[in-house]
Amino acid sequence: ETGVTQTPRHLVMGMTNKKSLKCEQHLGHNAMYWYKQSAKKPLELMFVYSLEERVENNSVPSRFSPECPNSSHLFLHLHTLQPEDSALYLCASSQGNSNEQFFGPGTRLTVL
Amino acid sequence: GENVEQHPSTLSVQEGDSAVIKCTYSDSASNYFPWYKQELGKRPQLIIDIRSNVGEKKDQRIAVTLNKTAKHFSLHITETQPEDSAVYFCAASGPGGYQKVTFGTGTKLQVIP
Repeated sequence: ETGVTQTPRHLVMGMTNKKSLKCEQHLGHNAMYWYKQSAKKPLELMFVYSLEERVENNSVPSRFSPECPNSSHLFLHLHTLQPEDSALYLCASSQGNSNEQFFGPGTRLTVL
Repeated sequence: GENVEQHPSTLSVQEGDSAVIKCTYSDSASNYFPWYKQELGKRPQLIIDIRSNVGEKKDQRIAVTLNKTAKHFSLHITETQPEDSAVYFCAASGPGGYQKVTFGTGTKLQVIP
């Protein structure tokens, strides 16, 4: 266990559904990240939270809405997604002055 | 922004041979270069990293080299074993209190017993 957990591990949703992905880190880190991993594409950084403030938003469509209520929890709220949003969504955390990122196991999302 | 290119996309080697994966980056401000290994169905995990003030780093069978002038860095795995089979990602990151990491497209390494 790396100390980063994600729920659910698998999610199937329709285009009109609203769902949320949850990430929790037990490492005492102060930065958390959302990545999208699609087949044959690099890991795409979506959002970064540092000290609970969003510091990066890499041109992600508004149908993805992140939330970081505290330094241990990170959410990704999903609504009116498209089939091309189907992917593995990975959460990661790091300690600000240290560079290693610790990844969670990911949520495999399928949008029908 | 940063752009990281990684080659090859797939690599097959015989067990015991060496494997080399190469990456280039575009932003001269990048100063941290990690390599992650992702086994099938599992999360990426850091295997080795190098900072811009170092030219080479080694950890048992794994080594990484960095050429800042040419903006490229490489992963070398010697005496490959079947358990080395995985997807390897290089990445580049700049200075800051958090990381804005740009990943390469990944190399699928297959070690043939």
